[in-house]
Order: sequence, then structure tokens, then C-alpha cells
Amino acid sequence: EDQVTQSPEALRLQEGESSSLNCSYTVSGLRGLFWYRQDPGKGPEFLFTLYSAGEEKEKERLKATLTKKESFLHITAPKPEDSATYLCAVQRRLGTSGSRLTFGEGTQLTVNP
Amino acid sequence: DSGVTQTPKHLITATGQRVTLRCSPRSGDLSVYWYQQSLDQGLQFLIQYYNGEERAKGNILERFSAQQFPDLHSELNLSSLELGDSALYFCASSVARGVNTGELFFGEGSRLTVL
Repeated sequence: EDQVTQSPEALRLQEGESSSLNCSYTVSGLRGLFWYRQDPGKGPEFLFTLYSAGEEKEKERLKATLTKKESFLHITAPKPEDSATYLCAVQRRLGTSGSRLTFGEGTQLTVNP
Repeated sequence: DSGVTQTPKHLITATGQRVTLRCSPRSGDLSVYWYQQSLDQGLQFLIQYYNGEERAKGNILERFSAQQFPDLHSELNLSSLELGDSALYFCASSVARGVNTGELFFGEGSRLTVL
């Protein structure tokens, strides 16, 4: 069974204080690893897709990286508007039989001004 | 705004009752997904439809059923409701050309409270 573990569960940073969120995964045949952002009372919002070890993606202050066992979401000089829950998800190679994502429980990030 | 519309936003009902949640995907998206998010279990995949056909099934209870209609909107039916069914139910859709894409666009969810 696919498993995704995110750490820490919660992280509190000062504005400008860089840090990283971790996502460890176990999946039989990884097709893709995905990062989403979820604001309170909203649906998750897609951020990145990573397909193979060594791949990196960047968007504004966020950078996602992937190894064979884990992914990191690096947040550089965060701002209060980066406060949200960050979700990691994996997709197994199912061929044409579907597109299920297995999500971790998320890291709740709070950035104080 | 993701372009995915879910109704109702909030629903309060009693145990044993039946409810229907509705989802309209983004224009042109053929795949619709249903996820359940509860405090103790995170986001759990329920079911996926692609162009009207069931494509993948997760840990969806037998009391729950879904369908996707010819106009591509989808409905999730929850029956014989129990207290533990209280959760946020999200619908998501994906770009039309990607049957197996993991890049999903989520609606704002339907919050179900079972009393």
C-alpha cells in the first residue's frame, strides 16, 4: 500500500526565515509526486509535479526537489501569505486504470510578520 | 477560483439520512474525482470518473455511490449516514487530455455534518 509521511506536522517561522518541509514516500512504481497548498476552508491548490529523482521545480519562494525516497519543499525568505497547509501526494503507475493520488496529512506552515 | 463548482457548501443532517453532493468540473475537463477529508485521516481518495465511466475506486464505502452524467457533472450519494461520515467532501477535475494526470483542480468542498 502506498504511504506518504510528512514532517513536521506544524512549522512556525518568522518572516524571512527559510526552511524545508519533508515528504517521505513508499509507492510501488512512482509515476509522479505532487505538492499542493491548502488554505483554511478551501480546496487544495496544485503547486508542482516531480517525476524522477534529481528533478527540481521552482515557483516564487518555493522549490521542490525529489529523491528516490523523499521530497523536500524548500521555502526561501517566506512571507505571511505563504502560511497554509502544504500537502504532498504520490501517484502510482496504474496504466490506464486510473489516477488515484495518495496524500500525506500535510504540514501546517505559519509565517509570522 | 479553480473553476470547479460544488454544491451545497454546507450540509447538516441526521444519522440514517441520505444526501447528494454535486460537482461541476472545469469546462473541458473529462475526469472527475471525489475525495474525503476528515480531521483524523487527511485526504482520502474515493472514486474517479472519466467521461462518464468509473476509472478508479478507492476506499469508498458501499453506502456511498457516485456517477458522472453526459454533461460531465458528477454526483456523490451518501446514504444511511453515520456520525463518522462528517467530513469535507472535495470534488476535483483534471485537464481533458490527461487521463492519468495528478494535476487536479479542486473545488471548495462540501462540508457535511451528521448529527
